[in-house]
Amino acid sequence: EAQVTQNPRYLITVTGKKLTVTCSQNMNHEYMSWYRQDPGLGLRQIYYSMNVEVTDKGDVPEGYKVSRKEKRNFPLILESPSPNQTSLYFCASRSDRGRSYEQYFGPGTRLTVT
Amino acid sequence: AQKVTQAQTEISVVEKEDVTLDCVYETRDTTYYLFWYKQPPSGELVFLIRRNSFDEQNEISGRYSWNFQKSTSSFNFTITASQVVDSAVYFCALSEKKRTGGFKTIFGAGTRLFVKA
Repeated sequence: EAQVTQNPRYLITVTGKKLTVTCSQNMNHEYMSWYRQDPGLGLRQIYYSMNVEVTDKGDVPEGYKVSRKEKRNFPLILESPSPNQTSLYFCASRSDRGRSYEQYFGPGTRLTVT
Repeated sequence: AQKVTQAQTEISVVEKEDVTLDCVYETRDTTYYLFWYKQPPSGELVFLIRRNSFDEQNEISGRYSWNFQKSTSSFNFTITASQVVDSAVYFCALSEKKRTGGFKTIFGAGTRLFVKA
């Protein structure tokens, strides 16, 4: 089954404690992205990746890091989380083939930073 | 600059009513892609439709229809004979390919639709 998986689904942590949210896709997609969703703001793109070792900033990259060492994985790293990073996070992937450009989203990770 | 505006924050209708969700976008690119997504109360994002900037044909899929008008930069979504299961947040999104090769995607703030039985 084609899917994007994220772990953990729920995370409560404290300010300053480094954390990683994993994202993996099994569709051999070139493009992957991270978004955060906040009430009244919709989804905002944090980072995206065009392929292995190629990443670029989205609209709200401050406080986040990403890496793309393998095509299927695109982890989101918060080196020193702060309460304003409390949000719902979505990972997504899309293909560059067939010109579909449909994004497949993971189930979301709800992060609370206290 | 990219921008997607969904002016309707919340809409409430009674079952079987028709409802239209508005989406207005701004872009300087001539090539771009427009999307609608549904987010039911369970929280996942469900893809509904994609339109590219060269394809202004309207589309109908069952009770759903989309009206893309480049002249007014709008991509509106109509649900005919709404049902309680249509209750969700609906997002309109705009994607453009950047010079670096990636896609920058902007989402609207979303419209929360309540369908009452």
